[in-house]
Amino acid sequence: AQKITQTQPGMFVQEKEAVTLDCTYDTSDQSYGLFWYKQPSSGEMIFLIYQGSYDEQNATEGRYSLNFQKARKSANLVISASQLGDSAMYFCAMRVYNAGNMLTFGGGTRLMVKP
Amino acid sequence: EAQVTQNPRYLITVTGKKLTVTCSQNMNHEYMSWYRQDPGLGLRQIYYSMNVEVTDKGDVPEGYKVSRKEKRNFPLILESPSPNQTSLYFCASRAGNTIYFGEGSWLTVV
Repeated sequence: AQKITQTQPGMFVQEKEAVTLDCTYDTSDQSYGLFWYKQPSSGEMIFLIYQGSYDEQNATEGRYSLNFQKARKSANLVISASQLGDSAMYFCAMRVYNAGNMLTFGGGTRLMVKP
Repeated sequence: EAQVTQNPRYLITVTGKKLTVTCSQNMNHEYMSWYRQDPGLGLRQIYYSMNVEVTDKGDVPEGYKVSRKEKRNFPLILESPSPNQTSLYFCASRAGNTIYFGEGSWLTVV
């Protein structure tokens, strides 16, 4: 079975500073993908970034980067230059490619950006 | 435009009154899934379907049913809703690593 752990229920960050949201995962499979989603207060799920288990380079998408440490089974999200609009819930998720489920999610981290 | 459409978006209902949350996707995806979101627990998979007439239980299937009679639709059925099924529900479809979520359905059972 797969498991995703997000140990930070809530975090504050000052506007324009960088912030790291933690995510650790557990799986015995070698082939998997890691995802981060943002959920604003309106409720929709917004895809941010993806990292494949065989990708050697850390994924980046604009202000988002994924700090992938395979040996430690961690996939932390780094948001650079935080903006007020970054205030939201953030979910880490994993897809194991030979499993039937779509995604396994962590419990989420609520990020609050202070002006 | 690629879309996953859920209805209703908001519903307050009473215990025991059967309800169906519809989900439709316009991308011809084979894989569809239902999740519920609860505080501190993230999203948990209820049921998924890998193709027409192929469905399987996720992590929290109790109290729910699904059907997949055609590729585009994947309704979630609560035969006898109870207050512990009060939650935010998401339908999703997938092609490769691209996953499309519906906008969510806020369901309250009183």
